[in-house]
Amino acid sequence: EPEVTQTPSHQVTQMGQEVILRCVPISNHLYFYWYRQILGQKVEFLVSFYNNEISEKSEIFDDQFSVERPDGSNFTLKIRSTKLEDSAMYFCASSEGRGGETQYFGPGTRLLVL
Amino acid sequence: DAKTTQPPSMDCAEGRAANLPCNHSTISGNEYVYWYRQIHSQGPQYIIHGLKNNETNEMASLIITEDRKSSTLILPHATLRDTAVYYCIVRLWNSGNTPLVFGKGTRLSVIA
Repeated sequence: EPEVTQTPSHQVTQMGQEVILRCVPISNHLYFYWYRQILGQKVEFLVSFYNNEISEKSEIFDDQFSVERPDGSNFTLKIRSTKLEDSAMYFCASSEGRGGETQYFGPGTRLLVL
Repeated sequence: DAKTTQPPSMDCAEGRAANLPCNHSTISGNEYVYWYRQIHSQGPQYIIHGLKNNETNEMASLIITEDRKSSTLILPHATLRDTAVYYCIVRLWNSGNTPLVFGKGTRLSVIA
């Protein structure tokens, strides 16, 4: 069964460093998303991406964040200068579109900023 | 904010049916009810969704009241692996890439 994959599974970085989280969405899906979950809190939407541009973003997704689909398979989230409060699980999701709206999530990347 | 209300926690004996309620009294006519679950800190896992008819798949059944203001997710024979946080989410259909809005969900503990 097709699934969303994410790498790395864990990432430790120093405050102020740049990190790139990678996702491979399900192959025939057209819509891509990033969510995050701070430990003990709710899953929060960050950004959605369609047709090579951002469709919607939340207040969390400020200028420190960017997304990119550098090739036909990968979808990345970059945090330019990490802060302690960026420590969280980051989940990528994808959906087929064209009426297939169910979002399927990857296993997540646990980011720890020291 | 989430448009749904769920009990914070529930227990269920292994092998018994787990019935997880959800209130969505402000749901609109073109909004679907989705259920996801999250096992420990894994990615949310899609379970089932429905509009107004009852739905069943290999994982669960979804019962939606006639007025659509509440629903119940039924896991017919709960196992220890069903221990998770269950989220009930309402969302527009055909809404392109409208994000999912997660609440706190119901923490289901399946007990041996």
